[in-house]
Amino acid sequence: GAVVSQHPSRVICKSGTSVKIECRSLDFQATTMFWYRQFPKQSLMLMATSNEGSKATYEQGVEKDKFLINHASLTLSTLTVTSAHPEDSSFYICSASDDRGSMLDTGELFFGEGSRLTVL
Amino acid sequence: AQRVTQPEKLLSVFKGAPVELKCNYSYSGSPELFWYVQYSRQRLQLLLRHISRESIKGFTADLNKGETSFHLKKPFAQEEDSAMYYCALSGGYQKVTFGTGTKLQVIP
Repeated sequence: GAVVSQHPSRVICKSGTSVKIECRSLDFQATTMFWYRQFPKQSLMLMATSNEGSKATYEQGVEKDKFLINHASLTLSTLTVTSAHPEDSSFYICSASDDRGSMLDTGELFFGEGSRLTVL
Repeated sequence: AQRVTQPEKLLSVFKGAPVELKCNYSYSGSPELFWYVQYSRQRLQLLLRHISRESIKGFTADLNKGETSFHLKKPFAQEEDSAMYYCALSGGYQKVTFGTGTKLQVIP
């Protein structure tokens, strides 16, 4: 199956700094990628939908100025956590589906390995 | 709004016993339902989707619109089935809502 790669897998940063997480589709093109956040023992929460060449669509309650998303190419989306604080510590996961899927086909989502962010 | 409920955080069964992971959903339209699985130290991956009506690794799931359920079943559990299982719903193009997950523990 298709592969989505996320980098870094773990990052520790100081409070107030910014952290960038990359999500790449390795062998397929993905016009749309998704960013999730997972708190311990909780579900995957969709944060935003990343659209290549246009602005990301954020879910209610997610600060777009806090979580900057850039989808500059068909294979790369980045999530930047700006001015990170300890409460931003979490597990961030991206997913994508192959563009070759039809509009009526929700398509299989392929997930990255996830990135664990720890803000000190 | 779309919602997915998995009432059990942990389900422990003995090897060879039947397994049923419960999933209920709330959605006003016609949903697409999925089960995703995450084995230890591996990424989340699709197990099965209701539209394909297939059996993967012995697992099946039937969409029951009357009960708004999509329970995952397997007649005989195997140790390698131990993993986290997430029920998911898509109410629109690619936007997926996940349940909180159920950890399946198969006891040898």
